Amino acid sequence: GAGVSQTPSNKVTEKGKYVELRCDPISGHTALYWYRQSLGQGPEFLIYFQGTGAADDSGLPNDRFFAVRPEGSVSTLKIQRTERGDSAVYLCASSLGTEETQYFGPGTRLLVL
Amino acid sequence: QKEVEQDPGPLSVPEGAIVSLNCTYSNSAFQYFMWYRQYSRKGPELLMYTYSSGNKEDGRFTAQVDKSSKYISLFIRDSQPSDSATYLCAMIRTGGFKTIFGAGTRLFVKA
Repeated sequence: GAGVSQTPSNKVTEKGKYVELRCDPISGHTALYWYRQSLGQGPEFLIYFQGTGAADDSGLPNDRFFAVRPEGSVSTLKIQRTERGDSAVYLCASSLGTEETQYFGPGTRLLVL
Repeated sequence: QKEVEQDPGPLSVPEGAIVSLNCTYSNSAFQYFMWYRQYSRKGPELLMYTYSSGNKEDGRFTAQVDKSSKYISLFIRDSQPSDSATYLCAMIRTGGFKTIFGAGTRLFVKA
């Protein structure tokens, strides 16, 4: 079956712009996670959704970052007033439920110039 | 100090060698321990999943958890060039869902 998909695969933007990154989880997976991975580092937790609600957003670095999952399926990570330090690979993962295996998408490579 | 420490390598071995990868951690609340493999420009892929202490074997891969030492290991037997990737250890505490990853170790297996 189809895995987790993320769009766009690459995004180049200018400092100060707004970007949206999309994640399509595996069908039927109720849990969805966003991570950020900088070069040479492991993924860093950003936010976790169980259904439509954000169960834990403690990893979001500041209020420029926001994520939604309005219908409990597709999720969008939104970054306002982008900064060069936001450049990274943004990974999405989904699982059947909490404490279940997480399946990762290929990531969106964000470059802020 | 990071919660999970992992030597970034790179680690280079000849084909057929036994590879040993490891991580240390500081939070005794971690109960779920995972190893992921990540190829270049791909998302991480789960290799091994262990609950609490002990060993787990799956084909050429063996995962070990020593909670008393806060130390986990992944062994790869008969390594192949296709095993060349970054290996990430990851952990979740009891009742939690926030996965904490190590920095990853880059492995190169030379034919």
